Amino acid sequence: QLQLQESGPGLVKPSETLSLSCTVSGGSINTSDYYWGWIRQPPGKRLEWIGSVSESGKNYLSPSVRGRVSTSVDTSKKQFSLKLTSVTAADTAVYYCARHRITIFGVVIIIHPFDHWGQGTLVIVSS
Amino acid sequence: EIVLTQSPATLSLSPGEGATLSCGASQGVASNNLAWYQQKPGLAPRLLIYDASTRATGIPDRFSGRGSGAEFTLTISRLEPEDFAVYYCQQYGASPTFGGGTKVEI
Repeated sequence: QLQLQESGPGLVKPSETLSLSCTVSGGSINTSDYYWGWIRQPPGKRLEWIGSVSESGKNYLSPSVRGRVSTSVDTSKKQFSLKLTSVTAADTAVYYCARHRITIFGVVIIIHPFDHWGQGTLVIVSS
Repeated sequence: EIVLTQSPATLSLSPGEGATLSCGASQGVASNNLAWYQQKPGLAPRLLIYDASTRATGIPDRFSGRGSGAEFTLTISRLEPEDFAVYYCQQYGASPTFGGGTKVEI
């Protein structure tokens, strides 16, 4: 059974870079059928998609964080990663990694629903 | 960006009763690309419904979704104790967005 597990620091200082990894087990990360995404949920707020990366490193990013976020994948380690720069208190959230399919029709992109999720990890931005 | 508004914010019901949750979009959702998730405290969301009305693998048939355009509903026909949770709708396109959630409580 596919499992995803987030890892990374639970506390990040303002203006620094938040770095998280997600390890995939029970299935292959090296597949063109799926993308690997990041979603966050600030306390008491709605879920927010941040970005997704393919096994080849192609990524799609949310306009709300584009410019501060990067995603990458290391298929040898069965991991994909998120980096978010210049963090503020507004970036405090539970961060989830998840799997989804993607459909691309020319310039039309559909990021399909997230069918497997990690358990989430709380990241607090505070000095 | 498509903004999703869920109502009601909270639904107080008893086991065995039916529940109807609504999700309205600020603009039409293309191809009924609308999903529903269930989230319990401390756990990740679980995909229930996609394409507005298709149940995900392993989801019991007491959960059903319907709707099109900008108005969607999730119906739970008979609430089981394990169904008390928060439910989110999500539209999926190039930039997925989620609704604010409906809490179904006892």
